[in-house]
Amino acid sequence: GQQVMQIPQYQHVQEGEDFTTYCNSSTTLSNIQWYKQRPGGHPVFLIQLVKSGEVKKQKRLTFQFGEAKKNSSLHITATQTTDVGTYFCATTDSWGKFQFGAGTQVVVTP
Amino acid sequence: EAQVTQNPRYLITVTGKKLTVTCSQNMNHEYMSWYRQDPGLGLRQIYYSMNVEVTDKGDVPEGYKVSRKEKRNFPLILESPSPNQTSLYFCASSSRRDPTSGRSTPSSYEQYFGPGTRLTVT
Repeated sequence: GQQVMQIPQYQHVQEGEDFTTYCNSSTTLSNIQWYKQRPGGHPVFLIQLVKSGEVKKQKRLTFQFGEAKKNSSLHITATQTTDVGTYFCATTDSWGKFQFGAGTQVVVTP
Repeated sequence: EAQVTQNPRYLITVTGKKLTVTCSQNMNHEYMSWYRQDPGLGLRQIYYSMNVEVTDKGDVPEGYKVSRKEKRNFPLILESPSPNQTSLYFCASSSRRDPTSGRSTPSSYEQYFGPGTRLTVT
């Protein structure tokens, strides 16, 4: 089945800096979803990408789906303390089965 | 308010004592799913349901059962819990309709998660 690997596992960021987290697969993916989970909370949907090379922006967050549809990235500019949490990528097949990456835990230091 | 509810939120039980975690959604979603979350492993899908009376195994179905008799409910049953099922469990639901065209699709879209159930089996 489809497997997605996320790197890095941990990311320590100074407030105001940018960072990127990556989601990679050895197989072509039909879609990528990104979720954010705050400490002690539940995952919250951020975005879904389905087209090759697709780029979507949400304020300071930029999501990209690779041309070959085997990788995706989430780039956050000017990190704020509200960005703390774990970011997961996920993909689903045509039959509804989901695969989540292990997540990137983001810690922001003021 | 659109939401997914789970009960109980916390549960400590003993090995072998059957338990059920309930999940309910009020968004008329076709798709529902159960996940377990363990440190360093992300979310792993246990079972999912594309619609009423249709359920399928995820990646880690062993030791769990589900049923989907009604659209809004998707209970998770542990017939004989064991310590390795100690985990944080999330229920989620999703529409299978394309948000742009409104047409039904084979897969699903954004998932709405419940608040989680922290289960400890001793």
